[in-house]
Amino acid sequence: DVVMTQSPLSLPVTLGQPASISCRSSQSLGTSDGNTYLNWFQQRPGQSPRRLIYKVSKRGSGVPDRFSGSGSGTDFTLKISRVEADDLGIYYCMQGTHWPYTFGQGTKLEI
Amino acid sequence: EVVLVASGGGLAQPGGSLRLSCAASGFNITNYWMSWVRQDPGKGLQWLANIRQDGREKYYVGSVRGRFTISRDNARNSMYLEMNSLRAEDTSIYYCVTEAGRTFDLWGQGTMVTVSS
Repeated sequence: DVVMTQSPLSLPVTLGQPASISCRSSQSLGTSDGNTYLNWFQQRPGQSPRRLIYKVSKRGSGVPDRFSGSGSGTDFTLKISRVEADDLGIYYCMQGTHWPYTFGQGTKLEI
Repeated sequence: EVVLVASGGGLAQPGGSLRLSCAASGFNITNYWMSWVRQDPGKGLQWLANIRQDGREKYYVGSVRGRFTISRDNARNSMYLEMNSLRAEDTSIYYCVTEAGRTFDLWGQGTMVTVSS
């Protein structure tokens, strides 16, 4: 199975400042159809996960443009341009290129 | 409102069975692959299984293959997960999700399964 490794696992942040989370996969996530199926999800305390980013950099419906995704191959990054209080929670990357789909361990964004 | 509602969780004994249901409202699941994902309390996420729109193609993660069965009833706008030979390590929150283009775009609220004697 593809192992997804996130860093850091805990990210202290300051409101209004940028934040960045890294995700690395044990195999390349690029496909022959030209797509790279790397997703980012946000889970606020007590809530179900919510999709933020799919195909590396495409924002999901209703996701603020403060969130951006980048990367290719095995290295990916989620960036928040200015952290707001509503952003606190756990962030997960997930690969959908290889079966079975696998998630990273999660990065806890906290003050 | 577009919603997925998972139900059927509860307490089961080791070796026992449970059937989870996932009811969709506000949209038609026939447009989507559907998946089950679980989360150990306070821990990470694990994809378990998915099923194609017509129900004829299904995939499972190795740890549940042969014990869990995913199914769907498009007429009822619902999906199911039959869980047999339950183990303590199956204790988790189970989410149903819609899947399109190798991403999970809508998550249900989760149903808790506890396997304990």
